[in-house]
Amino acid sequence: QQPVQSPQAVILREGEDAVINCSSSKALYSVHWYRQKHGEAPVFLMILLKGGEQKGHEKISASFNEKKQQSSLYLTASQLSYSGTYFCGTAFDYKLSFGAGTTVTVRA
Amino acid sequence: DTGVSQDPRHKITKRGQNVTFRCDPISEHNRLYWYRQTLGQGPEFLTYFQNEAQLEKSRLLSDRFSAERPKGSFSTLEIQRTEQGDSAMYLCASSLELSATNEKLFFGSGTQLSVL
Repeated sequence: QQPVQSPQAVILREGEDAVINCSSSKALYSVHWYRQKHGEAPVFLMILLKGGEQKGHEKISASFNEKKQQSSLYLTASQLSYSGTYFCGTAFDYKLSFGAGTTVTVRA
Repeated sequence: DTGVSQDPRHKITKRGQNVTFRCDPISEHNRLYWYRQTLGQGPEFLTYFQNEAQLEKSRLLSDRFSAERPKGSFSTLEIQRTEQGDSAMYLCASSLELSATNEKLFFGSGTQLSVL
C-alpha cells in the first residue's frame, strides 16, 4: 500500500521554507526520498532508517517518526534548483512503494 | 559509471501490437527493477530481479507483461497486445543489494509509451 503525501503542491519564493509530509498505514522500517525534475528520472535524496534522522543534500533534511509512521522532508532557504516533484517511498521486502508526489515550484 | 540507460526513449504503437523495452543497469548492480509511472503519480512497482532471477511480480501486472534479465545483465520488458491503458512512462532502476529496507535506487530516464 502506497504512502500518502501532503501537500500535493507548494509554491515558494527563493529563500522560503517548506515541509512535505509522508505517512503510512503500515509500520515503517525506512523512508526513502526522491526528487524528479520534469522530464527526468527520479534522483535519490536520502534514506531514513528506523530510529535515525539523516541530513544530506544541500539544505534539505528529513525526520522519521516510526511510532506515528510518518516522515517529513524539510526544504530550508529554498533555491530555484529545488523545484521538482518529491516522492517518499516505503520499503517492504525489497520493494519501494512511492507516494503520489508533492510538486514544489520555487520562484525568484 | 555511466548510469542506467533505457532504450528507446519514446515508443508510439498501435493498440494490439507488441513492444519491447531494454534497460542496461549500472554494471556492478545486482538488483534491477521495473516501475511504471503515469502523469501525476509516483512510480508503481512492476517487477524486480536479483541477478538473473525474477523474484517478484506485482499482482497488478497483467499476463501480457513479461520481463527477462538473461545472465544478470541487461533486462527487457515486453508488453504483448498493447492496450491504451498501457500508455505510461516505464522506468528501470538498479541497485546494489544492501538490505530489504536500505537500498538506493538509480533510475534510468525511462521509456515513454503511447498506445494509439
